Amino acid sequence: EPEVTQTPSHQVTQMGQEVILRCVPISNHLYFYWYRQILGQKVEFLVSFYNNEISEKSEIFDDQFSVERPDGSNFTLKIRSTKLEDSAMYFCATNRQFNEKLFFGSGTQLSVL
Amino acid sequence: AQSVTQLGSHVSVSEGALVLLRCNYSSSVPPYLFWYVQYPNQGLQLLLKYTTGATLVKGINGFEAEFKKSETSFHLTKPSAHMSDAAEYFCAVSSSSGGYQKVTFGTGTKLQVIP
Repeated sequence: EPEVTQTPSHQVTQMGQEVILRCVPISNHLYFYWYRQILGQKVEFLVSFYNNEISEKSEIFDDQFSVERPDGSNFTLKIRSTKLEDSAMYFCATNRQFNEKLFFGSGTQLSVL
Repeated sequence: AQSVTQLGSHVSVSEGALVLLRCNYSSSVPPYLFWYVQYPNQGLQLLLKYTTGATLVKGINGFEAEFKKSETSFHLTKPSAHMSDAAEYFCAVSSSSGGYQKVTFGTGTKLQVIP
């Protein structure tokens, strides 16, 4: 089965630093999403992205967060100035069409110290 | 608005026993319902989904779930647990108007299978 690839698998950063999490979607997929899971809590929707723009975002996705697809392949999540509470597992997900199965990556574990 | 409640954050069953993981949902529009499984250090994998039609849906690895609108439930079952079923299971809901976008997950149930 095709896979969504996320890098790095683990990222440790200092509070206030910028981080970029990367995702390589499945090649013919058009819709891209970021979710996160704080340890011991539920998986939470952050943002969906289609046709080079955000189609929906949650209240978590504030001005500190941004997404882009800079080179037509990688889909990135940037956190401008990390906070302790940003520590979580971040999952990228993609699908080919709006109403089709979501494929999740294996996640990036972000630790903010 | 939509939400999911999973009853029991940890469930233990003996190998060969019935697996029953409970999920109740809330949705203001007809829901799409999902069960995902997460193995250690891996991403979320779709087990099964209900969109429309037959209310008993079968998924991978012998799992099935039944959509019961009157009970707002979507419980996950498997007749006989295997050791390889040990994982965390997430129930999720998405409104039919939104398709797969903005899926709302439950808090998860960790399944332990005892030899």
